[in-house]
Amino acid sequence: DAKTTQPNSMESNEEEPVHLPCNHSTISGTDYIHWYRQLPSQGPEYVIHGLTSNVNNRMASLAIAEDRKSSTLILHRATLRDAAVYYCILKGIGFNKFYFGSGTKLNVKP
Amino acid sequence: NAGVTQTPKFRVLKTGQSMTLLCAQDMNHEYMYWYRQDPGMGLRLIHYSVGEGTTAKGEVPDGYNVSRLKKQNFLLGLESAAPSQTSVYFCASKPDSVESREQYFGPGTRLTVT
Repeated sequence: DAKTTQPNSMESNEEEPVHLPCNHSTISGTDYIHWYRQLPSQGPEYVIHGLTSNVNNRMASLAIAEDRKSSTLILHRATLRDAAVYYCILKGIGFNKFYFGSGTKLNVKP
Repeated sequence: NAGVTQTPKFRVLKTGQSMTLLCAQDMNHEYMYWYRQDPGMGLRLIHYSVGEGTTAKGEVPDGYNVSRLKKQNFLLGLESAAPSQTSVYFCASKPDSVESREQYFGPGTRLTVT
């Protein structure tokens, strides 16, 4: 599975947008980009995923670069409840595994 | 639906003891996974299963065994616990092989081996 690179930590103010970057320069054409987050003392939860086009759902937006070598998870208005570790994961066809890196710890200040 | 549940929530073992962690899902998912998470790190895959009666090794399988006798249950066994197996263990399930499907995670089991 291809590797992803994320900043160790980021900080945001409450009610402001947050852009969480992820680099995946070795992505293959069939790899999906998944984002999960892990709230303190909980299991990871799904946030969003995409292949080539930008995606929106009720939780977040995913912006994928045209060459697909990077992506950005966008939280439009951060809340205190969004403080978590965010993982960017590549999922290829035929691999029944998710490889989690160390993720980005997001701190949200009131 | 209860989703993915894990039993027990906490456990303390002495070195050399054995135990089994139980993961159950009520969503009729085909795929199930066991991960471990050490402090400050991401999750690492231990074993996984793509259907009842099947199991396969993940990234860090040594010291663990698994069984999937029933579709809804995935058991993780430690035959002779070691302090290096102190960790938080997460179970997850996924409906099928479709690449875009999300995984659903349980709440975790915190295991300490002394």
